[in-house]
Amino acid sequence: EDKVVQSPLSLVVHEGDTVTLNCSYEVTNFRSLLWYKQEKKAPTFLFMLTSSGIEKKSGRLSSILDKKELFSILNITATQTGDSAIYLCAVTQGGSEKLVFGKGTKLTVNP
Amino acid sequence: GAVVSQHPSWVICKSGTSVKIECRSLDFQATTMFWYRQFPKQSLMLMATSNEGSKATYEQGVEKDKFLINHASLTLSTLTVTSAHPEDSSFYICSARDSSGIGHIQYFGAGTRLSVL
Repeated sequence: EDKVVQSPLSLVVHEGDTVTLNCSYEVTNFRSLLWYKQEKKAPTFLFMLTSSGIEKKSGRLSSILDKKELFSILNITATQTGDSAIYLCAVTQGGSEKLVFGKGTKLTVNP
Repeated sequence: GAVVSQHPSWVICKSGTSVKIECRSLDFQATTMFWYRQFPKQSLMLMATSNEGSKATYEQGVEKDKFLINHASLTLSTLTVTSAHPEDSSFYICSARDSSGIGHIQYFGAGTRLSVL
């Protein structure tokens, strides 16, 4: 059965801390891995990763994929209260347009 | 770019009535749209894949006669919850895949919170 597992499920940090969110996957015919941020409403797209070892970066957020070990990490440096959200990892497979989602990591950044 | 509009954002209805939710891609064409349901503190559950000009593909366990999907144009898909009951109360989210761009990325609407009394 295809699955995407995120860890930790929840995380509480203080402003300024650096956090690393994990996503491991076991799917057939892997094509890409996507990270989304979900606040109170619907998810907003952060990154899409298809190649191993190439870091994607946007401001304080960065992500990398390891296709050999079947995982990805999402790093957030110098966290701010506005980073508080649920971070979702999803995987796509060849021949399918569906996203297979993990359960998400709930990040809380306290002032 | 890549904006998906979903309307309404919140709806309350009586049991037995039908509710229509619209999902529009505002600045791109979407041959494929997706409808999800999200329960509190859980991840998104795919209900169906909506294809422009053809029938939707429903996930196992989703009643197609209860959740009617219409994707009549390249920018609009609708989900109609027919004869709604309190157990249908949930957060419904649509997404759209940009047909002309990087095909794997789905852009999400803001969601619709449905409360059935």
